[in-house]
Amino acid sequence: ETGVTQTPRHLVMGMTNKKSLKCEQHLGHNAMYWYKQSAKKPLELMFVYSLEERVENNSVPSRFSPECPNSSHLFLHLHTLQPEDSALYLCASSQDSVGVHTEAFFGQGTRLTVV
Amino acid sequence: AQTVTQSQPEMSVQEAETVTLSCTYDTSESDYYLFWYKQPPSRQMILVIRQEAYKQQNATENRFSVNFQKAAKSFSLKISDSQLGDAAMYFCAYRSDLDGAGNNRKLIWGLGTSLAVNP
Repeated sequence: ETGVTQTPRHLVMGMTNKKSLKCEQHLGHNAMYWYKQSAKKPLELMFVYSLEERVENNSVPSRFSPECPNSSHLFLHLHTLQPEDSALYLCASSQDSVGVHTEAFFGQGTRLTVV
Repeated sequence: AQTVTQSQPEMSVQEAETVTLSCTYDTSESDYYLFWYKQPPSRQMILVIRQEAYKQQNATENRFSVNFQKAAKSFSLKISDSQLGDAAMYFCAYRSDLDGAGNNRKLIWGLGTSLAVNP
């Protein structure tokens, strides 16, 4: 039990497809994150949700659409992606409040290939 | 803006030996946190060790320890008695302290160091 579970582990999709990545955390955390990990680049923070509200959106193209229906679940909806969007997408969670914070705990990622 | 630099793309170590991974960072802040994360082939990013900038004592977690030099903005990771399971990508990360509203600050990541452990 990793605490943060991502599905699917691998995804191959065409540029016209619509798919969704799912993340679930069992740690009682109040913040969740989507990261993109590409070869030879630092991890890129895409979105941050705190208490189910999006608090950060780092200039991510609109073909990526996050959804956080509750504090335990986070989705990343994908549509009309480009080949350069192929990467490892990592979900993470943490507990953050005034004066208290924990490290981010990560899922195992979804390896996305856009063909 | 803060940056994190890991100057060693690849390192190798013999099993049972000691290896040090380098990390430097640039910031104008005085309060922050530094982390080393490990990413094995399973891809899950796992926290190895953390250091609060206000603490002078170097953090230690079993075989893992850091050499934190605040003035030099250096944060190296030492792995003692290396084991085959230590083979992974190691990432250094920086995070500002929480802001006044209690909001998390994002992690700034280095490019990583790939560590091979030779039997």
